[in-house]
Amino acid sequence: EVQLLDSGGDLVQPGGSLRLSCAASGFTFSAYDINWVRQAPGKGLEWVSGISGSGGDTYYADSVKGRFTISRDNSKKTLYLQMNSLRAEDTAVYFCARVATVTPNYYFYYMDVWGTGTTVTVSS
Amino acid sequence: DIQMTQSPSSLSASVGDTVTITCRASQGIRNYLAWYQQKPGKVPKLLIYGASTLKSGVPSRFSGSGSGTDFTLTIRSLQPEDVATYYCHKYDSAPPTFGQGTKVEIK
Repeated sequence: EVQLLDSGGDLVQPGGSLRLSCAASGFTFSAYDINWVRQAPGKGLEWVSGISGSGGDTYYADSVKGRFTISRDNSKKTLYLQMNSLRAEDTAVYFCARVATVTPNYYFYYMDVWGTGTTVTVSS
Repeated sequence: DIQMTQSPSSLSASVGDTVTITCRASQGIRNYLAWYQQKPGKVPKLLIYGASTLKSGVPSRFSGSGSGTDFTLTIRSLQPEDVATYYCHKYDSAPPTFGQGTKVEIK
């Protein structure tokens, strides 16, 4: 079964750091671009970051550029999101999501498999 | 960047009704539009891609149409399990952009 399992969310103070993980199973992980998408409490979906299947190309929303770093370890079938200089407005559920094509660098494509989500709360 | 505007933001309908949700792009996106369903407290699920192609396993009461800038998601014979928020997503080019969502409730 194709699955994505998100973890690493926590309560963190403003200015702090956190690393999220997304563990994949059931498919050839390295063939797919993967995104992080977040959802603030009571709000809609917001794309945060994407990475190519090889890990060689990364993409960020303006709201997180310079603070967040996306990476992946294809040998471990795991995606990461390193979040630094966290702000209250980063409070959200974070989902990883698989892009529904193996065409490289199509991170903006529709997403056919979503992770379980992990909650990040930034508060003092 | 292209903006996606959904309407209405919420609606309430009776079981068995036909419900229509609209998504409008600020520029043409051909048919590069997907729809997702997110039930309360759950993970988003892909319903439709290519504006009108139903993902395998999605009930046939769901349908999508449109091209260019105007798109619709139609739910025929609304069921209690369709209570959810529905999002459109344009994927013709970067960055990926979602509509603000439409919350569907049962009267």
